[in-house]
Amino acid sequence: EAGVAQSPRYKIIEKRQSVAFWCNPISGHATLYWYQQILGQGPKLLIQFQNNGVVDDSQLPKDRFSAERLKGVDSTLKIQPAKLEDSAVYLCASSQSPTEKLFFGSGTQLSVL
Amino acid sequence: QQQVKQSPQSLIVQKGGISIINCAYENTAFDYFPWYQQFPGKGPALLIAIRPDVSEKKEGRFTISFNKSAKQFSLHIMDSQPGDSATYFCAASAGGGADGLTFGKGTHLIIQP
Repeated sequence: EAGVAQSPRYKIIEKRQSVAFWCNPISGHATLYWYQQILGQGPKLLIQFQNNGVVDDSQLPKDRFSAERLKGVDSTLKIQPAKLEDSAVYLCASSQSPTEKLFFGSGTQLSVL
Repeated sequence: QQQVKQSPQSLIVQKGGISIINCAYENTAFDYFPWYQQFPGKGPALLIAIRPDVSEKKEGRFTISFNKSAKQFSLHIMDSQPGDSATYFCAASAGGGADGLTFGKGTHLIIQP
């Protein structure tokens, strides 16, 4: 069974630039999550999708972050404009349903200079 | 407010010894307590999880001990091996699964040969 796929693996940008991350969840997983993991900390939930609808985006900085999950499969997370404090690993995760186990991708490491 | 407090921040254990990582929570609505293992450059991977209807769960060398009255749970790694060297995160949710997981800050475990 293929795992959660993410790309790119690494990204370096300058502040005020924009960046986008892509995620393809495990086949059949209806629930998709984006987490932010700052160095030395645990993952923090940014947004949760159930199929193509947003369930929870309470911790998403909506002035600069946006995410979509068209057709209820893969998803993109965008940051525009990026700030220095956005430097982190952005993890995508999926589960069959909100009550099932969570599976993470390897993440995208973002460095904002 | 940190809902899940994890300790220690780092831990060094000799090969063959027992590694113990502790977590405390505040929200009595939490009903699902997983532990995740993360290697450098990888996303967290589910190691073992427990629900509050049992006080202990064992899978191979990994055991979760759960104390509902104290609102604490811990991970024990028996016969620790160098391959166990990783960062471990406890987490908790009130949704019975992946939904709304709150993570601790992590414990960096080093097993010395």
